[in-house]
Amino acid sequence: GDSVTQTEGPVTVSESESLIINCTYSATSIAYPNLFWYVRYPGEGLQLLLKVITAGQKGSSRGFEATYNKETTSFHLQKASVQESDSAVYYCALGDRYNQGKLIFGQGTKLSIKP
Amino acid sequence: GGIITQTPKFLIGQEGQKLTLKCQQNFNHDTMYWYRQDSGKGLRLIYYSITENDLQKGDLSEGYDASREKKSSFSLTVTSAQKNEMAVFLCASSIARAGGYAEQFFGPGTRLTVL
Repeated sequence: GDSVTQTEGPVTVSESESLIINCTYSATSIAYPNLFWYVRYPGEGLQLLLKVITAGQKGSSRGFEATYNKETTSFHLQKASVQESDSAVYYCALGDRYNQGKLIFGQGTKLSIKP
Repeated sequence: GGIITQTPKFLIGQEGQKLTLKCQQNFNHDTMYWYRQDSGKGLRLIYYSITENDLQKGDLSEGYDASREKKSSFSLTVTSAQKNEMAVFLCASSIARAGGYAEQFFGPGTRLTVL
């Protein structure tokens, strides 16, 4: 079936250190996968962080980057130097370009940044 | 910009009770969604609606009814509340886009407790 697996949390990283949150997906019934990272900051609603709809491309936002790798079925989220304000829960999600109703979420990774 | 409002913020019911959650959006979006998020898990789609009076079942529709009487509002009814469905229910909306990506915007959620 279609599924998303991401780094088990919680994850704690020191400020200014680098970060990677792994995300792998299985898209057995989706011909044209789209990939997303959503984020929920403390006290706020879920919001889109970045998206990539074409294999091989990279998305970026707020210093975060993720590359859609079709060969390894991965969409890892990376940041070179984290800040305390990056503390949040991050969700990887898999969508279907031709089915608006299909958006499959990973379980979420809670990230805490140590000052 | 726009906003999605969900009411109530907290909903407490008895086992077997019928409960209704409401969602309003002022984005003028065509498509609306209901998701359920169990503690420590990802979001799972219950129902979505492409336009007024349209309903499409998601993977988790059993035990729920939905209603889209007008473009701006989407209601979800738990037909007989069970203790194993205590969760946060998230409403989302997006423009309708066939064959392309449409970002989903999320509401703050309704937390359901079943006694």
